[in-house]
Amino acid sequence: AQKITQTQPGMFVQEKEAVTLDCTYDTSDQSYGLFWYKQPSSGEMIFLIYQGSYDEQNATEGRYSLNFQKARKSANLVISASQLGDSAMYFCAMREDSTGGFKTIFGAGTRLFVKA
Amino acid sequence: SQTIHQWPATLVQPVGSPLSLECTVEGTSNPNLYWYRQAAGRGLQLLFYSVGIGQISSEVPQNLSASRPQDRQFILSSKKLLLSDSGFYLCAWSVFQGARDGYTFGSGTRLTVV
Repeated sequence: AQKITQTQPGMFVQEKEAVTLDCTYDTSDQSYGLFWYKQPSSGEMIFLIYQGSYDEQNATEGRYSLNFQKARKSANLVISASQLGDSAMYFCAMREDSTGGFKTIFGAGTRLFVKA
Repeated sequence: SQTIHQWPATLVQPVGSPLSLECTVEGTSNPNLYWYRQAAGRGLQLLFYSVGIGQISSEVPQNLSASRPQDRQFILSSKKLLLSDSGFYLCAWSVFQGARDGYTFGSGTRLTVV
């Protein structure tokens, strides 16, 4: 069974607008962490934002925010005021602490295209 | 500051040839180290992780192996490459398993087996 599901293979957004990238996850752990990474065309993976399962507030990092809905097991990434440089692949990932916290599982990714 | 080096950046190898990819970390001690593989247009698949010298955990059965001969060195190897080994290989490190900062990834090796 898929542990991380990203249902949007590709998304388009107009420059300066906000965009939401969807992510749902499946775990029976009470303690886990959720991550978003950006992968530009160069291939490097860049960590963007983290949400712990016990965090009461949604995480924010600059223009990135994570819409964490624990009961629905969703962890959507919101990018505000999109920029051309935001065009990239975006991966949602989860670390289940019952595994010792050593394994981070990645979704299939969403390719974001920002239009000028 | 901590940095991670991974090489080579690209590699074209014939089927049946050996493989050695190296990853080194600077500026930290006793990191957790990881090898991931990304098939074209897909997500990342965890291959191996290591929590210390000589300690390797394998996640998927395959003809790849990993070794950690030194604290900050992680090597991915194969004795005989298969076509299915083609992909983008990424090395990563983290300070400890509960870190909130995510992984730091190397720049990756694009392997094409022909």
